[in-house]
Amino acid sequence: DTGVSQDPRHKITKRGQNVTFRCDPISEHNRLYWYRQTLGQGPEFLTYFQNEAQLEKSRLLSDRFSAERPKGSFSTLEIQRTEQGDSAMYLCASSLAGMQHGDTQYFGPGTRLTVL
Amino acid sequence: DAKTTQPPSMDCAEGRAANLPCNHSTISGNEYVYWYRQIHSQGPQYIIHGLKNNETNEMASLIITEDRKSSTLILPHATLRDTAVYYCIVRSGAEGAQKLVFGQGTRLTINP
Repeated sequence: DTGVSQDPRHKITKRGQNVTFRCDPISEHNRLYWYRQTLGQGPEFLTYFQNEAQLEKSRLLSDRFSAERPKGSFSTLEIQRTEQGDSAMYLCASSLAGMQHGDTQYFGPGTRLTVL
Repeated sequence: DAKTTQPPSMDCAEGRAANLPCNHSTISGNEYVYWYRQIHSQGPQYIIHGLKNNETNEMASLIITEDRKSSTLILPHATLRDTAVYYCIVRSGAEGAQKLVFGQGTRLTINP
């Protein structure tokens, strides 16, 4: 299967610790997105990359959050000094830009973060 | 992006067609209608999208009204595995408008 993969699938951490998540997009997809989903809500956009450039960031992405995509392939999302409010599912999606009618985003399975 | 309105929940009997409505009365000419679904604890799964013509693929059919103010996702023969939250999203096809704005979706329950 060559879908979007995310690692780890689950992460439990203590408040104040740093965590890092990884996303591997579908091969050849040049756009990569991060979303966050809290219990009972739909996913909310955090940020997106085209190749290695980070082109948009949501207000939800506080200073404690940083995302990178250094070689335009996989991406990492780091949360520093985690808080209990960071507990959520972190979703990654990828797409291929340049399609005639806009690009369709395909999602990974997500990383569920629990901050104790 | 335009807002969408969906019923919070629906039930359907296994083997029957599930028809999920979505209102998007403020949709503009270059905006597409996308449908995703999310099975419990998994990432959203792309189903189908369309602009103004009806669309069909191996998963579902999408019927868009002539005025494009509403649409219906049809799962022709629902199975228990179709139980999920279904999201209707309106999104611009223009370059530069990339994020998906999810609402609350419709929680579809397929009953045996």
